[in-house]
Amino acid sequence: SAVISQKPSRDICQRGTSLTIQCQVDSQVTMMFWYRQQPGQSLTLIATANQGSEATYESGFVIDKFPISRPNLTFSTLTVSNMSPEDSSIYLCSPERAGNTEAFFGQGTRLTVV
Amino acid sequence: KQEVTQIPAALSVPEGENLVLNCSFTDSAIYNLQWFRQDPGKGLTSLLLIQSSQREQTSGRLNASLDKSSGRSTLYIAASQPGDSATYLCAVKTSGSRLTFGEGTQLTVNP
Repeated sequence: SAVISQKPSRDICQRGTSLTIQCQVDSQVTMMFWYRQQPGQSLTLIATANQGSEATYESGFVIDKFPISRPNLTFSTLTVSNMSPEDSSIYLCSPERAGNTEAFFGQGTRLTVV
Repeated sequence: KQEVTQIPAALSVPEGENLVLNCSFTDSAIYNLQWFRQDPGKGLTSLLLIQSSQREQTSGRLNASLDKSSGRSTLYIAASQPGDSATYLCAVKTSGSRLTFGEGTQLTVNP
């Protein structure tokens, strides 16, 4: 399995501000998935990021709110913009390597917006 | 649209008991099914991965089965321990490498 480093592990932010979450993988991956887990709920896919192209967003998620960068094959960031208390969630990255079908996740970023 | 359901939503058992967690999915066209464990406020730890062509996988006290045609999987935990207390999530992978998660079963094992 890949070693995944996700930062920060948690943060408390003021409404109206933005937070950038980083996901670093110790090996090259083809796709990076970003998920959100709202309190007491399961995981929902936000977007899929491939290197060199714009991320593909799921229904209900837009680039202006959740911009994603994928500058190389080992790194990606997710920004939560103009935050409101409804954005309080755990955000998780999940890299996928070609030919490896098992999914692995970062440690998660626990975001609280006050 | 794939939907994944987990039953029960919560389970509390005494230490040492064997238990079964259930997962069902609506679309049998899956690549694989994966069981995860999540501790409060933490990320997901992969427990078992079952490919669509497989019937079961075992790891230690855990055994997961898959019946793709009926859209069901079970996670069997033998001789449960307090350290097994966590939320257990199942997820199925379909086209585009998309994972669809169930709502999870919150397990409490009492000493």
